[in-house]
Amino acid sequence: AQKITQTQPGMFVQEKEAVTLDCTYDTSDQSYGLFWYKQPSSGEMIFLIYQGSYDEQNATEGRYSLNFQKARKSANLVISASQLGDSAMYFCAMRVSNQGGKLIFGQGTELSVKP
Amino acid sequence: SAVISQKPSRDICQRGTSLTIQCQVDSQVTMMFWYRQQPGQSLTLIATANQGSEATYESGFVIDKFPISRPNLTFSTLTVSNMSPEDSSIYLCSVGSGRVTGETQYFGPGTRLLVL
Repeated sequence: AQKITQTQPGMFVQEKEAVTLDCTYDTSDQSYGLFWYKQPSSGEMIFLIYQGSYDEQNATEGRYSLNFQKARKSANLVISASQLGDSAMYFCAMRVSNQGGKLIFGQGTELSVKP
Repeated sequence: SAVISQKPSRDICQRGTSLTIQCQVDSQVTMMFWYRQQPGQSLTLIATANQGSEATYESGFVIDKFPISRPNLTFSTLTVSNMSPEDSSIYLCSVGSGRVTGETQYFGPGTRLLVL
């Protein structure tokens, strides 16, 4: 069965510092995709970054990078130079190719950025 | 990127009533997805809305409770029927897009539903 695990219910980081949010996944399929989303208090889900299982390079999008370690089945999100506006819930999700577009979500990590 | 709108953005409803949520996308998409996020919880897929065929429901969700329409490639509705307080959630529609199908997956702004 496919599963996403986020073991950090809450994290604190000082403004301008980097922070890593952990995500591990479980699947027996070879073809899958990993996503990170940000959910501020408004409730919208903001797409941050995507990593395909066959991508050899770690994905990067501005201040966001995904530390993809396939053998360890981990897909940690790294946010560099944290800003106050980064305070939000962060969700890791997985899509398995043979299940259409269905996303399986982790339980989320609440990030608080301190001034 | 796809631009997705949802109506209503929020509503307060009485138990026993029904609410229909609309999802509009600015481009044609094959699949649209409906998710539910209960308070303090993660997102769970309700169903996949396919144009021209019946929606595909996930385990624990049934058509009588969550009927879905998909009249064309840019629009879908989700109805929450015979509501109870347990249906209080954020409901979000989602579509996939990208160079390789589903490389990115976007969500609408969500509909916050409170059932009294």
